Amino acid sequence: GEDVEQSLFLSVREGDSSVINCTYTDSSSTYLYWYKQEPGAGLQLLTYIFSNMDMKQDQRLTVLLNKKDKHLSLRIADTQTGDSAIYFCAETSTGGGNKLTFGTGTQLKVEL
Amino acid sequence: DTEVTQTPKHLVMGMTNKKSLKCEQHMGHRAMYWYKQKAKKPPELMFVYSYEKLSINESVPSRFSPECPNSSLLNLHLHALQPEDSALYLCASSQERGHGELFFGEGSRLTVL
Repeated sequence: GEDVEQSLFLSVREGDSSVINCTYTDSSSTYLYWYKQEPGAGLQLLTYIFSNMDMKQDQRLTVLLNKKDKHLSLRIADTQTGDSAIYFCAETSTGGGNKLTFGTGTQLKVEL
Repeated sequence: DTEVTQTPKHLVMGMTNKKSLKCEQHMGHRAMYWYKQKAKKPPELMFVYSYEKLSINESVPSRFSPECPNSSLLNLHLHALQPEDSALYLCASSQERGHGELFFGEGSRLTVL
């Protein structure tokens, strides 16, 4: 099956940039997504990128995709305490029956 | 209205009880999903409904029984659950099945005693 891996934890200081990384194995991925989950809440879609793109910027968020290395990253500029959450990357692929496969999740802690 | 509403927010039940979780969306989405999520883990897909028909059952035990009464509603009927079924149950919807842009509810936190 498909594997989507993330580092478990990231700590940054308020105002710094955060970079959350994700690696996946399925070469037939079509879209890749970043979801955010705050404590006690459901998941919220932040942004997504089509697999034939290598970068997408949306306000403070920048998504980079290296399809050759199957590596996806999410950069959050000027990180705020409200950005503290768990971030999940996810992918859909033709090989996976177009089901959404979530990564293991990265807990981002923003310190003052 | 871009919300998925789930009730109840919290549920405590014994192993012999029968209860139901409810989910509602009014975005005109034709795909609805149930996920189970344990603490600090990614959501695990349980069921997918597409156009009110069950299209995916991820080998979920029969003590979980989904129901889609109409295109806006999704239920999850619970019976004879085990303590290990305690988790956050998330409902989600998308325009069509296979779209990764899911809208999630806040979840129902279930505790089985």
